[in-house]
Amino acid sequence: DAKTTQPPSMDCAEGRAANLPCNHSTISGNEYVYWYRQIHSQGPQYIIHGLKNNETNEMASLIITEDRKSSTLILPHATLRDTAVYYCIVRANTGNQFYFGTGTSLTVIP
Amino acid sequence: ETGVTQSPTHLIKTRGQQVTLRCSSQSGHNTVSWYQQALGQGPQFIFQYYREEENGRGNFPPRFSGLQFPNYSSELNVNALELDDSALYLCASSLGGGQGGGYNEQFFGPGTRLTVL
Repeated sequence: DAKTTQPPSMDCAEGRAANLPCNHSTISGNEYVYWYRQIHSQGPQYIIHGLKNNETNEMASLIITEDRKSSTLILPHATLRDTAVYYCIVRANTGNQFYFGTGTSLTVIP
Repeated sequence: ETGVTQSPTHLIKTRGQQVTLRCSSQSGHNTVSWYQQALGQGPQFIFQYYREEENGRGNFPPRFSGLQFPNYSSELNVNALELDDSALYLCASSLGGGQGGGYNEQFFGPGTRLTVL
C-alpha cells in the first residue's frame, strides 16, 4: 500500500482558505487519493476523492499534481467547525481497504 | 436512509476477557471494514467483510475475528483481551468490496470505546 506524508499540525484563520498538503510519491497509476476528517472522538467523515483530475464538491477542492506524487486539500472558507484531524489516504490497489496515517491536525482560529 | 450504527458506545473489560462489538451497515451497503484507533493515532485497518466473507486483513493477530451476517451487519470479536487493545473501534460500510472495483467512499460509524483494565 502506498504511504502518505502530511504535516502533523496547521493553523488557519477563520474565513481564510485552508490548504492541507499531502505527499504520496509511491502512488500507483490506478490508486485514488481520498481525504477524510475526524472531529474529536467521532468517526471519520468523507470529504472528497480523486484520481488525476482536480475535483470540487460542496465541502472542498482537491488539487492533484500532474505526476500524482502530491495533492492539496483546500477548504475555501474555513470555519471553527472545520477544526479536526484531516487524513490523506491512498486507496489500496485491491479490495476496498483504507490505510490511514497520522493526519494533519487543523486548528481554525477565530 | 440510516447511517452506520455501532454498539455499545462504551465498554470496560479486564485483561483476558472476550468482547463482541456490533455494527449495522448503511442501507444498501454490502461491505464492512473494521478499524482500531489508539489514542492520538490514525485508524488501523483490522479486516474487511464482503458478502459474508473476509476480504482482506491487516496486521492483527488471530484473536481478532469477525463475522458478517446475511443482512450485512457485522461483529468484531476479540479474545484474550490485552491492555493495548484499549482503543476506539470503528466500523465502516461501503458498496462493492470486490477485487478491483468499488472505488466508493467508506461511511464510518461513531465507534465503540473499549477500555481494558
